[in-house]
Amino acid sequence: KQEVTQIPAALSVPEGENLVLNCSFTDSAIYNLQWFRQDPGKGLTSLLLIQSSQREQTSGRLNASLDKSSGRSTLYIAASQPGDSATYLCAVTGGSYIPTFGRGTSLIVHP
Amino acid sequence: DAGVTQSPTHLIKTRGQQVTLRCSPKSGHDTVSWYQQALGQGPQFIFQYYEEEERQRGNFPDRFSGHQFPNYSSELNVNALLLGDSALYLCASSPMGGGENEQFFGPGTRLTVL
Repeated sequence: KQEVTQIPAALSVPEGENLVLNCSFTDSAIYNLQWFRQDPGKGLTSLLLIQSSQREQTSGRLNASLDKSSGRSTLYIAASQPGDSATYLCAVTGGSYIPTFGRGTSLIVHP
Repeated sequence: DAGVTQSPTHLIKTRGQQVTLRCSPKSGHDTVSWYQQALGQGPQFIFQYYEEEERQRGNFPDRFSGHQFPNYSSELNVNALLLGDSALYLCASSPMGGGENEQFFGPGTRLTVL
């Protein structure tokens, strides 16, 4: 059974810092890994999707990497802003095509 | 292009009642998945519909059932509601049968069971 862990569970940083959020998974036989953002009480917004054959994806200030062999992905946020405050979730999809989510990292960026 | 839409936004029910939640997928998407998200947790997969059939199911009891219509929209039904069913219910759509394709989520329905 796939298990997904996100570290840290919570993070509070001043504006302008570069951040690294971590996602680890136990079964490396995956099709893809997707990073989401969730504002309080809201739905999930897709940030980046990395297919199993890819090593990284970039969108604006966000960069996500994938290392299947070690069961890890990182989400890098450059020059953080207060508007980046949200919970960040990673989801891993394996052979069953059922995504498994981590519990998320709650990020607060203060001015 | 409308994204994934869900209705209602909020719902309050009492124990033992039944509830129906609705989802319209993003234009061009044919696969709909439903998730339950308890406070402070990641979403838990309930089931997925494709071509009007339930294709995959997570670890949820038979009280949770669904339907997909020919226009790809979907309903989630929950019978005999329990206090523990209180959660944010999320719908996600994906193209071309889902699988390893990117998922797009709706805003969710907040269900409170009293």
